[in-house]
Amino acid sequence: KQEVTQIPAALSVPEGENLVLNCSFTDSAIYNLQWFRQDPGKGLTSLLLIQSSQREQTSGRLNASLDKSSGRSTLYIAASQPGDSATYLCAVESGAGSYQLTFGKGTKLSVIP
Amino acid sequence: EAGVAQSPRYKIIEKRQSVAFWCNPISGHATLYWYQQILGQGPKLLIQFQNNGVVDDSQLPKDRFSAERLKGVDSTLKIQPAKLEDSAVYLCASSLEGLAGDDEQYFGPGTRLTVT
Repeated sequence: KQEVTQIPAALSVPEGENLVLNCSFTDSAIYNLQWFRQDPGKGLTSLLLIQSSQREQTSGRLNASLDKSSGRSTLYIAASQPGDSATYLCAVESGAGSYQLTFGKGTKLSVIP
Repeated sequence: EAGVAQSPRYKIIEKRQSVAFWCNPISGHATLYWYQQILGQGPKLLIQFQNNGVVDDSQLPKDRFSAERLKGVDSTLKIQPAKLEDSAVYLCASSLEGLAGDDEQYFGPGTRLTVT
């Protein structure tokens, strides 16, 4: 059974800092890994999707890496802004037949002005 | 392009009552998912539809939860009777084909259920 762990559970940083969020998964037989953002009372917004054959994806100030063999991914946020404050969720797609997302519990990020 | 729509946004009921949630996926998306997100947890898949057929409902508590997707478009999720532990946000998502590897899921805003 796939399990996804995210550390830290919460993170508070001053504005402008670069930061790294970590995600690990137990079964390396994945199809892809996604990072999502969730604002309070809102649904999930997909930030980056890394296919299993890829090593990283970039979008603006965000960079996500994937090391499938070690079961790890990192989300790097450059020059953090107060608007980046949200919960960041990591999810892996795996399973035979039905392609399911298994989520971590998330990292709650607060960027202090 | 309109996103995934869900209603209601909030619902408060007493235990043992019934409740229903509605989801309208992105137009043309074949696959629809219902997730349950308990406070402080990541979303957990309850059921996955491909068009109007069920692909996976292994984590759906079938003694009290039911879901349908008539005509392969809109979907409803029902809980009857509700328990206190059903308090959660219920998220609906859709994807174009549901194919592994390169098919992104798009999420609705969710319905926050409180059972008292």
